[in-house]
Amino acid sequence: GQQLNQSPQSMFIQEGEDVSMNCTSSSIFNTWLWYKQDPGEGPVLLIALYKAGELTSNGRLTAQFGITRKDSFLNISASIPSDVGIYFCAGPAVSGAGSYQLTFGKGTKLSVIP
Amino acid sequence: GAGVSQSPRYKVAKRGQDVALRCDPISGHVSLFWYQQALGQGPEFLTYFQNEAQLDKSGLPSDRFFAERPEGSVSTLKIQRTQQEDSAVYLCASSLTRRPYNSPLHFGNGTRLTVT
Repeated sequence: GQQLNQSPQSMFIQEGEDVSMNCTSSSIFNTWLWYKQDPGEGPVLLIALYKAGELTSNGRLTAQFGITRKDSFLNISASIPSDVGIYFCAGPAVSGAGSYQLTFGKGTKLSVIP
Repeated sequence: GAGVSQSPRYKVAKRGQDVALRCDPISGHVSLFWYQQALGQGPEFLTYFQNEAQLDKSGLPSDRFFAERPEGSVSTLKIQRTQQEDSAVYLCASSLTRRPYNSPLHFGNGTRLTVT
């Protein structure tokens, strides 16, 4: 099946620093989604990308849909303590019976040092 | 409330017991999903409903897992004869449209199942 590889697995940064994380796949995606999950809660959608090359911002977050359709990155500018959590990339299967299935990466765990 | 509600929040079961996990999606949401999230992993797809129809159950790990949504709103995930490897957080999610991912997917806070 489809797999999404996220890197880094974890990162520790100082408050105020910018953060960059990425997600790659061996197969193409038509949609890239970035979620954040806080402890004890479900994932919350941050940004959705629907077109190759698309660059989308949501406040301090910026995400891009790679032109090869096999990768995406998420940047967080001027990190703050509440950015702590696990960030997941995700995407639905391109077609077929599995197109209802959302495949998630294993996540990037972000820790912010005040 | 306005969000997806799951109950119970925590469930401890002895190996071999049956469990039932409930999901109340956002009112009017057509699509409903169940995901399983093991510790330190991303959520993994279990099954998908469009209204009351279960259109995809290919992610259910074994025939001990069964899900239903009889009236197209509340859904129940049942696990029979639980085993230790079933220990995980079970997440429910719903979205407004028939075509998943055309509208945002809203997740509940999950049920943490521990099988002893």
